[in-house]
Amino acid sequence: QVQLQESGPGLVKPSGTLSLTCAVSGGSISSSNWWSWVRQPPGKGLEWIGEIYHSGSTNYNPSLKSRVTISVDKSKNQFSLKLSSVTAADTAVYYCARRIAAAGKAFDIWGQGTMVTVSS
Amino acid sequence: DIQLTQSPSFLSASVGDRVTITCRASQGISSYLAWYQQKPGKAPKLLIYAASTLQSGVPSRFSGSGSGTEFTLTISSLQPEDFATYYCQQLNSYPSLTFGGGTKVEIK
Repeated sequence: QVQLQESGPGLVKPSGTLSLTCAVSGGSISSSNWWSWVRQPPGKGLEWIGEIYHSGSTNYNPSLKSRVTISVDKSKNQFSLKLSSVTAADTAVYYCARRIAAAGKAFDIWGQGTMVTVSS
Repeated sequence: DIQLTQSPSFLSASVGDRVTITCRASQGISSYLAWYQQKPGKAPKLLIYAASTLQSGVPSRFSGSGSGTEFTLTISSLQPEDFATYYCQQLNSYPSLTFGGGTKVEIK
């Protein structure tokens, strides 16, 4: 079955750019799914960051839109997150997740999550 | 943006109890609501989507209901493995696929 695995640096300097990749295995990133990023600051709730379709179409959370870029690499069957101008408030566990592109569908598959700390 | 308000934010219950969690949306979202369970250190797990459809493999003691602006998640008989934090999420409209603030279910 489809599995997701996040990877990337666990420590990012303030004002730098956070870069993460989500590798998709057991299925094609070109299937009819939206691929999302969700984050969770320590001890807090979930925040949807944004999503991408294999065509490259994206949707972003307005609160982060000016700093976020999500891209897809179909040749590597993966998608990526870049978050610029990071501060300590961006310290969180970052998850990638899949949502089937059909009405009413939700995030049915999640990666295990990766902790990113913003600190000098 | 659509806001989701969960209540209660904290719930203390015993094994075997019937538990109900409410999620209220700031505007109508039809039936485009999902419920997730999250245990410490783990990714969220989808329980229910489209307000009342049980995700494959989820025990039948979990059920969801509602439409429009008011939704509920019910656990008919709380089991030890159900102690966790529960989140609702709206998938009706962008710009943001908002999550509720969460409800932590702890052992009484």
